[in-house]
Amino acid sequence: SAVISQKPSRDICQRGTSLTIQCQVDSQVTMMFWYRQQPGQSLTLIATANQGSEATYESGFVIDKFPISRPNLTFSTLTVSNMSPEDSSIYLCSVEDVGHNEQFFGPGTRLTVL
Amino acid sequence: GDSVTQMEGPVTLSEEAFLTINCTYTATGYPSLFWYVQYPGEGLQLLLKATKADDKGSNKGFEATYRKETTSFHLEKGSVQVSDSAVYFCALSPTSGSRLTFGEGTQLTVNP
Repeated sequence: SAVISQKPSRDICQRGTSLTIQCQVDSQVTMMFWYRQQPGQSLTLIATANQGSEATYESGFVIDKFPISRPNLTFSTLTVSNMSPEDSSIYLCSVEDVGHNEQFFGPGTRLTVL
Repeated sequence: GDSVTQMEGPVTLSEEAFLTINCTYTATGYPSLFWYVQYPGEGLQLLLKATKADDKGSNKGFEATYRKETTSFHLEKGSVQVSDSAVYFCALSPTSGSRLTFGEGTQLTVNP
């Protein structure tokens, strides 16, 4: 399985600021996804990161709030913009190679917004 | 749309007890089904999967069978250990390379 790292692992941020989370994979993968896990909750898909084009966002998530980049097949970033306390969550990236039918997750970024 | 329903938690067991965590799903077609585990302070790890009806996924003593007739994918283990304490998520994917839909998660605590 792919080895996935995320930076930062955790952060405490002030309201109104932005944070960019990085996701790095040790091999080229077809699909990369970003999920949010609010405290005590399950995971919700934010968007699919598309290499070389705009991300595909799920209902309830918009590009202005969660801009995503994916410049190549091993790296993606998620920015949480103009943060509020409601954005306090764990943000996880996941990867999958089409045809393998298995998604693997990074360790997550624990974000606290004060 | 697709959905996954897990049994309500938390679940507390004694070491060596039998574990069942129920999972049922709603989806069109033939989705793939997964169990993920999240240990305290960590990300999600894929525990097992099944991609077609009657498939049995197994790993680390855990098993789950894809039951199309009852739209279920219950997780079982014959003898739990303290180290199995974690949150367990049932999930489905309609096709390879598509989004995962997760259940609510079930917190398992195993006491010595």
